Amino acid sequence: EVVLTQSPGTLSLSPGERATLSCRASQTITTTFLGWYQHRPGQPPRLLIHGASSRATGIPDRFSGSGSGTDFTLAISRLEPEDFAVYYCQYYGGSPWTFGQGTKVEI
Amino acid sequence: QVQLVESGGGVVQPGGSLRLSCAGSGFTSINYAMHWVRQAPGKGLEWVAFIRSDGSNEYYTDSVKGRFTISRDNSKNTMYLQMNSLRPEDTAVYSCARVMSGNYDAFDVWGQGTMVIVSS
Repeated sequence: EVVLTQSPGTLSLSPGERATLSCRASQTITTTFLGWYQHRPGQPPRLLIHGASSRATGIPDRFSGSGSGTDFTLAISRLEPEDFAVYYCQYYGGSPWTFGQGTKVEI
Repeated sequence: QVQLVESGGGVVQPGGSLRLSCAGSGFTSINYAMHWVRQAPGKGLEWVAFIRSDGSNEYYTDSVKGRFTISRDNSKNTMYLQMNSLRPEDTAVYSCARVMSGNYDAFDVWGQGTMVIVSS
C-alpha cells in the first residue's frame, strides 16, 4: 500500500501569498499516478492536478504540481480568497487507491 | 453537463443495510470506471471501492471487504453500493467519482455525496 503523508497539516497565509504543499509517498511511485484535489466545505472535491504536473481542465495557471519518486509538491502562486480549502494528494495506480490526510490552507 | 448524483443515504442501526445509488448524466457510463469514496465527520477522504467500466472487476478497501458490494447498470447509467453489516465507523458522506480515462487515472467528476449514519 502506498501511504501518502502531507505536510504541513495547516498552512496559515494571506491572499496574494504563495502556498507550497508537500506530499511524500512511502515508496517510489510513477508520476502518472499522482493527483491533487481541492475540497471546499459543502462542495465535492475538485481535481486540480493529474500525472503530478498536468493541470486539469479549467484549472487556473496559478496552480502547479511538481515532483517525482517519493516527493511531490503543489504550489499556488498567488492565493485567491476561493483557494482557502483543504488539499489532498492521491495515488491512483491501483488497489488500494490512497489519499493523503490533507493540508488545510487557511487565512 | 456531466453530473453524478448520489442517493440512498440515511440513518441505520448497527448491523443494518443500505443501498446507495449514483446516477450519471451527460456522459456514457459504459466508457468509464467508477469509484466510491467516503469522508467520515472531521476526517479526510477515504477510498472505498472501484468497478471497471464493464463491471468485470471490483476492488475494495480492507475494512469493507465481505460487507460492501459495488455494482453498476450501464443501461441506466447508474452505479450502486450495497452496504451490509454496517458499523458505527462506516458513518460518513459517501461520494461517487468517475475515472478520467481507463482504469488507473485521476477522479475528474464527483457527486455531492449522500450521508450515511450508523447509530442505535
